[in-house]
Amino acid sequence: EIVLTQSPATLSLSPGERATLSCRASQSVSSYLAWYQQKPGQAPRLLIYGASNRATGTPARFSGSGSGTDFILTISSLEPEDFAVYYCQQRSNWPSFTFGPGTKVDIK
Amino acid sequence: QVQLQESGPGLVKPSGTLSLTCAVSGVSIRSSNWWSWVRQSPGKGLEWIGEVYYSGSTNYNPSLKSRVIISVDQSNNQFSLKMYSVTAADTAVYYCARDLFTTSGYYMDVWGKGTTVTVSS
Repeated sequence: EIVLTQSPATLSLSPGERATLSCRASQSVSSYLAWYQQKPGQAPRLLIYGASNRATGTPARFSGSGSGTDFILTISSLEPEDFAVYYCQQRSNWPSFTFGPGTKVDIK
Repeated sequence: QVQLQESGPGLVKPSGTLSLTCAVSGVSIRSSNWWSWVRQSPGKGLEWIGEVYYSGSTNYNPSLKSRVIISVDQSNNQFSLKMYSVTAADTAVYYCARDLFTTSGYYMDVWGKGTTVTVSS
């Protein structure tokens, strides 16, 4: 089973600052990695797929990078609505989907 | 616009069976997609339960496979989850989602709002 690890667990930043979130896989997942955003009381929302492709409706301030085992989600300038929990997800080892434990981005 | 809506009992007794349905609108369930169930225990992360194709083919999380059946109802454009022998550890928000196929892999691009299921006597 491929395990995803996310760091940091919590990121405290101010609006306008740059956020850098990390996701590491226990073995290579190639580029089969996605990022989701979840706000309290809401379902997750797909932000990035294929490691670097923005999903429909994802603002340009969100970008994804990486391949193999190390991935980064960058939010170039935090907006108030970006404070949320972010999960990475892989499906390299068909058929199972696995999610990382999440990174909470909260207001400093 | 594709929409998913979960429904089912919010309270299930220990050792009982959890039964949920996901109604799909805006697209035929016969479209070339897999349809998933995902859960989130209180204050915890996301756990994939399994998925079904419109033909009835299924894939399951190995850790839950022995207790779960996911099925599809083409005539009503919906799919369902049954989880047997539930315990308090199965208390969670249950989401249904569409697995979008892309050339970069499968991802969940549309989600239901989620339904809370509590296991308690």
